[in-house]
Parts: sequence; structure tokens; C-alpha cells
Amino acid sequence: AQSVTQLDSHVSVSEGTPVLLRCNYSSSYSPSLFWYVQHPNKGLQLLLKYTSAATLVKGINGFEAEFKKSETSFHLTKPSAHMSDAAEYFCVVSEIEGGKLIFGQGTELSVKP
Amino acid sequence: NAGVTQTPKFQVLKTGQSMTLQCAQDMNHEYMSWYRQDPGMGLRLIHYSVGAGITDQGEVPNGYNVSRSTTEDFPLRLLSAAPSQTSVYFCASSQGSIFSNQPQHFGDGTRLSIL
Repeated sequence: AQSVTQLDSHVSVSEGTPVLLRCNYSSSYSPSLFWYVQHPNKGLQLLLKYTSAATLVKGINGFEAEFKKSETSFHLTKPSAHMSDAAEYFCVVSEIEGGKLIFGQGTELSVKP
Repeated sequence: NAGVTQTPKFQVLKTGQSMTLQCAQDMNHEYMSWYRQDPGMGLRLIHYSVGAGITDQGEVPNGYNVSRSTTEDFPLRLLSAAPSQTSVYFCASSQGSIFSNQPQHFGDGTRLSIL
């Protein structure tokens, strides 16, 4: 069965330190992978997407993610956290062949001054 | 530049009441969808539409109805509200299929409490 697992429900970092949010997935096809960010009382906003081109994907606000097929992972990183990065982050897998759209459970990122 | 607009932002209902959550988009997207967000469960697809007059069920369709009479609007109806439907509801639109590589554009949500 297709699934998405975000390995941490909550991550806390200090401002200026690196961010790593982990996502593993399973898929029977060649999926598209997304990271979305959700600020309080707001809808989800696209950070970046992978669609079988370059395995290292750059997104907005300095975020990037690397698709590793052998590890079935799509981890999100940022070299230096900013206070405005505090939000909830969702890893999402879509499969057009299987007609599937699956959201991870979300990772809440806290940034300490 | 409105994007996807959801109304109302907040609503409290009593069990058994009905209501319609409104969703409108101004990007001329063919594809629209409804989700519910519950703590620790991410978003789950309720219903979606691939164009005016065409809708289909998602992962959790029971208790909800939809219709799509225009490209712009995609209302979600709760026919007889139940406490289990207390949630945050999001509407989204996209240029391509929700199962494709096209990103979705989300509204800011409707927070619904059912007593």
C-alpha cells in the first residue's frame, strides 16, 4: 500500500542552525513528491516539488529536498533556520497511475531565538 | 489576487444541522478538491472535481456532498452534521489532476465545530 511517513512529529532548532525534516514514502509507481508549509490559521503553501527531473530540488525561502529512490526518502533541509520558518510542514506523494494523493502526518517546526 | 477563497472561516453547528461550505477560485483551474485536516492525520481527500459537472469521491466521502456547476465554485455540503465531522476543511484548486505533478493552491480553511 502507498504511504507517507514523516519521521518526526515535532522538530525544534535554534535560529541560524540547520533544519532537517524527514520523509519516507512507499509507492508502486513513479511518484511526484511535494513539501508544503502551513502557517497558523492558513492554508498549505507549496515549498517545492520533485517530478523525476533533478533529484536535488530547490524551493522557496532557502529550502531544498533530495529525492533518494534507493532509500525511498525525500528529506527537507535548510542551512540556516529563521524565526519565520516556524510552521507545520507536510510531505505529500501523488501517483497519477494509481490515482493516489497521500499526505504525511505533518512535522511541526519550532525555531528558538 | 484572491486565489482560493473559502467562507465562512469559522462555524459552530449542532448535531443534525446542515450547512454548505463555500469555495471559489479565480485562477480558471479545472481541478478542485476538498480536504479535512485532523490533528496528527495530515489532510484527507473528501471529494474532488475534474471540471464543471464532474465530481468523484476521495478517501473519506461519507456524510458529504459536492456539486460543480461552474469552473469557479465547488461547495461542500454537510447534510446532517455529526460530532465526528468537527475538523478544519480546506479547498484547493490546480491546473492539472490532483494525482499529477501539478501543485495545489489552498484556501485558508473553514474551522467547523459540531456540538
